[in-house]
Amino acid sequence: AQSVTQLGSHVSVSEGALVLLRCNYSSSVPPYLFWYVQYPNQGLQLLLKYTTGATLVKGINGFEAEFKKSETSFHLTKPSAHMSDAAEYFCAVSLSNTGNQFYFGTGTSLTVIP
Amino acid sequence: GAVVSQHPSRVICKSGTSVKIECRSLDFQATTMFWYRQFPKKSLMLMATSNEGSKATYEQGVEKDKFLINHASLTLSTLTVTSAHPEDSSFYICSARVAYEQYFGPGTRLTVT
Repeated sequence: AQSVTQLGSHVSVSEGALVLLRCNYSSSVPPYLFWYVQYPNQGLQLLLKYTTGATLVKGINGFEAEFKKSETSFHLTKPSAHMSDAAEYFCAVSLSNTGNQFYFGTGTSLTVIP
Repeated sequence: GAVVSQHPSRVICKSGTSVKIECRSLDFQATTMFWYRQFPKKSLMLMATSNEGSKATYEQGVEKDKFLINHASLTLSTLTVTSAHPEDSSFYICSARVAYEQYFGPGTRLTVT
């Protein structure tokens, strides 16, 4: 069975502090991995994605994520949080053996404390 | 590129009426589109997969007669919520698939009074 787990439904960080949002997946085939951000009453905005190649992926707004196959993880990080980073973050996996259906994590709500 | 639009962005309807939501791929063709429902503070729940020229595939527990999906062209899929009830109030998001990726629309907020 395929699944995506986001540890921590709520994460709070101080402005300027490191942001770390965790994502683990289970898959029997090589996954495509995605991080999305969602602001209130808006759709999903792609932050970054891993398909093949370099395992450290850089995205928009200073975010990056590293694919670690041995740990089945794809954690999202940002060195210094900004107030505008406060939002909901979703990790997703796309699998070729399911017609590239997306499986979403339950989401992590990020709060940035001034 | 790869922009997906939804219309309307917000809609309020009375209980018992039907409402149609459109999902368009603006600058590309999509043989497959997806419809999701999102409850407050929750993740996206896949409702159905819409394939151009064929019947939609619904996820378990989703009433196909209540949530009618039509994928009439390579750039348009519609979701019609029939005989809407207050419990159908939700945020509906569509996406269009290109290879292994999905491009998401901005969502439609449906409120049934």
